[in-house]
Amino acid sequence: EIVLTQSPATLSLSPGERATLSCRASQSVSNYLAWYQQKPGQAPRLLIYDASNRATGIPTRFSGSGSGTDFTLTISSLEPEDFAVYYCQQRGDWPPLAFGGGTKVEIK
Amino acid sequence: EVQLVESGGGIVQPGGSLRLSCAASGFTFSNYWMNWVRQAPGKGPVWVSRIKSDGSGTTYADSVKGRFTISRDNAKNTLYLQMNSLRAEDTAVYYCGRDRNYYYLDVWGNGTTVTVSS
Repeated sequence: EIVLTQSPATLSLSPGERATLSCRASQSVSNYLAWYQQKPGQAPRLLIYDASNRATGIPTRFSGSGSGTDFTLTISSLEPEDFAVYYCQQRGDWPPLAFGGGTKVEIK
Repeated sequence: EVQLVESGGGIVQPGGSLRLSCAASGFTFSNYWMNWVRQAPGKGPVWVSRIKSDGSGTTYADSVKGRFTISRDNAKNTLYLQMNSLRAEDTAVYYCGRDRNYYYLDVWGNGTTVTVSS
């Protein structure tokens, strides 16, 4: 079973700053890595799939990179609506999809 | 508009049953694999079950295998999750999600809350 570890658990930043979120897999997931944003009381929202492809309607300030075991989600300049929890998620043999523990991006 | 809407959640006693529904609209439901994902209060999402586009194959997380059954009615554009022998640890918001490339979920419902408590 592949385990995804996200860091840091909490990121305290100000609007306009750059956010860098990390997701590390316990073994290679190739580029089968997605990122989601979740705000309180809402469902997760797909941001990035296949490690670096932005989903439909996602602003260009969101970008993903990495392959194998190390992945990064970057928000180039935080907008007020970007403060939320972010999850990475992988495709695996078993379970077929699994999520990381999340990174909360909070206002400093 | 592409949309998924869950219903059927509620409060149930341990050992009880519930059936969740997920109504799809705005896309050809029968072309897509579908998933159920749950999220306990204050925790991250956890995959529960998946069904192939024609309903011919299903998979379950170990924690629900033998107790939950996923199914679909493509004529009604609806996904279901029959939950039996419910336990306190099944308490969560349950989301349905449209499957892409066998892993990521590009459309999510709004969620329905299941509370298992005596």
